[in-house]
Amino acid sequence: AQKVTQAQTEISVVEKEDVTLDCVYETRDTTYYLFWYKQPPSGELVFLIRRNSFDEQNEISGRYSWNFQKSTSSFNFTITASQVVDSAVYFCALSERSAGANSKLTFGKGITLSVRP
Amino acid sequence: GAGVSQSPRYKVAKRGQDVALRCDPISGHVSLFWYQQALGQGPEFLTYFQNEAQLDKSGLPSDRFFAERPEGSVSTLKIQRTQQEDSAVYLCASSPAPAGRRSYEQYFGPGTRLTVT
Repeated sequence: AQKVTQAQTEISVVEKEDVTLDCVYETRDTTYYLFWYKQPPSGELVFLIRRNSFDEQNEISGRYSWNFQKSTSSFNFTITASQVVDSAVYFCALSERSAGANSKLTFGKGITLSVRP
Repeated sequence: GAGVSQSPRYKVAKRGQDVALRCDPISGHVSLFWYQQALGQGPEFLTYFQNEAQLDKSGLPSDRFFAERPEGSVSTLKIQRTQQEDSAVYLCASSPAPAGRRSYEQYFGPGTRLTVT
């Protein structure tokens, strides 16, 4: 069965600090997809990134960067120079290709990030 | 364009009442998912539709939960004889393509917060 673990529950940083959110996953599939979503206080989940299991190239998008390592089953997310608007709950999620007609997402429990001015 | 919309945003029901939650996916999106998010937890999968076909309902917690998408667009999640443990945020998500070949990102609505008293 697939599983996503976000060991950190709450992180508090001061504005402009860098912060890394950890994600570890378990799956028996060789082909799978990993996601990060952001849930601000308004409640709506906002898609941030999707990675395929066969593409370990790390990615940078503005202040966001992602580090995918199959060897350690990790998909970590870093925010550089954090801002107050980054305060939210961040979820890592996994989807297995073997799920066939259903690419349902399995989510971690989320990490609450608070960025203080 | 318009995103996924859900109504009502908030619902208070007395234990034993029936409720119906509505989801309007992004126009043209084939796949539609329902998730349940308990307080402080990540979303958990309930059911999946591809067009009007309900292909997976393995996540529905009991036979009191029923979902439909009769014309392949709007979906309704119905909960009969609500119990206190049903209190949660119910999230709807849509995705542009049929699941299976690859896992596309899912676009989430704002959710319906259900409180059963």
